[in-house]
Amino acid sequence: DAGVIQSPRHEVTEMGQEVTLRCKPISGHNSLFWYRQTMMRGLELLIYFNNNVPIDDSGMPEDRFSAKMPNASFSTLKIQPSEPRDSAVYFCASSLGTGDGKLFFGSGTQLSVL
Amino acid sequence: QKEVEQDPGPLSVPEGAIVSLNCTYSNSAFQYFMWYRQYSRKGPELLMYTYSSGNKEDGRFTAQVDKSSKYISLFIRDSQPSDSATYLCAMSVGGATNKLIFGTGTLLAVQP
Repeated sequence: DAGVIQSPRHEVTEMGQEVTLRCKPISGHNSLFWYRQTMMRGLELLIYFNNNVPIDDSGMPEDRFSAKMPNASFSTLKIQPSEPRDSAVYFCASSLGTGDGKLFFGSGTQLSVL
Repeated sequence: QKEVEQDPGPLSVPEGAIVSLNCTYSNSAFQYFMWYRQYSRKGPELLMYTYSSGNKEDGRFTAQVDKSSKYISLFIRDSQPSDSATYLCAMSVGGATNKLIFGTGTLLAVQP
């Protein structure tokens, strides 16, 4: 299995632009998570899905952030409009959803908003 | 107060040293305790996993959980330069979901 696949690896954009991050979870995993990592705040959970349904989006910082999971093999995280403080590494992770906490992470998207 | 506290380091040790990494937590409902290792420019990968209290050993790595003190540790014996990475503790209450709460991570450098 190729693992969790994220794209793009790097994204540089200007303030006010729309940014879309993409994730393909491991086949057979039914839980998907979006995390954001910064030096100051570490890894923060933004939102997670079980069986394509958003369960907890309390970590989404503002209405500018939205996430979708239209099917079991694809999810997007969108920021519109983007701001410089959104600059971070965004990770997608998936798991079997059995409650054991074993997550498999992608390589992340490094986002820079100028 | 954060739910999970972890000393960010950095921690620099010579090759062969014993390394001790620690986290404290405040939520007594946590049942699953994990250590993830993250190399530079990579995603975290699961290193050690423990359910409830006790010790778990895997090669040079030992994870300890003390629920009475709300304290977990990771020990690395005979540390190697390849162990240089950021180590993140993570915890979960379990149940139907895998919602993990992470520590901020400790940056470890093992000097050859």
